[in-house]
Amino acid sequence: SQTIHQWPATLVQPVGSPLSLECTVEGTSNPNLYWYRQAAGRGLQLLFYSVGIGQISSEVPQNLSASRPQDRQFILSSKKLLLSDSGFYLCAWSNPGEAFFGQGTRLTVV
Amino acid sequence: GQQLNQSPQSMFIQEGEDVSMNCTSSSIFNTWLWYKQDPGEGPVLLIALYKAGELTSNGRLTAQFGITRKDSFLNISASIPSDVGIYFCAGPDGNKLVFGAGTILRVKS
Repeated sequence: SQTIHQWPATLVQPVGSPLSLECTVEGTSNPNLYWYRQAAGRGLQLLFYSVGIGQISSEVPQNLSASRPQDRQFILSSKKLLLSDSGFYLCAWSNPGEAFFGQGTRLTVV
Repeated sequence: GQQLNQSPQSMFIQEGEDVSMNCTSSSIFNTWLWYKQDPGEGPVLLIALYKAGELTSNGRLTAQFGITRKDSFLNISASIPSDVGIYFCAGPDGNKLVFGAGTILRVKS
């Protein structure tokens, strides 16, 4: 069966520090991968998606970047965090069709 | 890109009541998905719909794919406290998955 792992679960980082969130999927090949951000427990904002290794599509101009170094690995990064980067970050995969989510990372930038 | 309009934004109901929420789009969708998100966790898929007119149940949950392919509804019968959470509709837009803004459900016991 397929599983998705996302870590860390919570993170508190100072403004200006770098960020690296990692997501890995097991039990499937060549999935579509997604990073979403959720503010204040409401809507899901699509940040990046990837249909293959090295292929990244950005949905929203921002302070973040994404990379897909391996088929089932998706990384969300920032060189210098801003206060506005705080939020709940969710990784998801689909093959394609239904999407399945990780447990999320609660990022607080202080 | 496509957008989904989900309503109501929130509901505060008595335990045991039935719940109904819906999602509409100005464009045709070929798949409708319904998710539930518990606080602090990732959304979990409840029901997937693939055919116009399809009516699918999952326990106390029932969802329908509108015949025009531009809408879908989710019903929850006899609500219980653990139904609390945010419910999202979603549909594919090319390689992306578009989500509605969510319906926050609160249940009074």
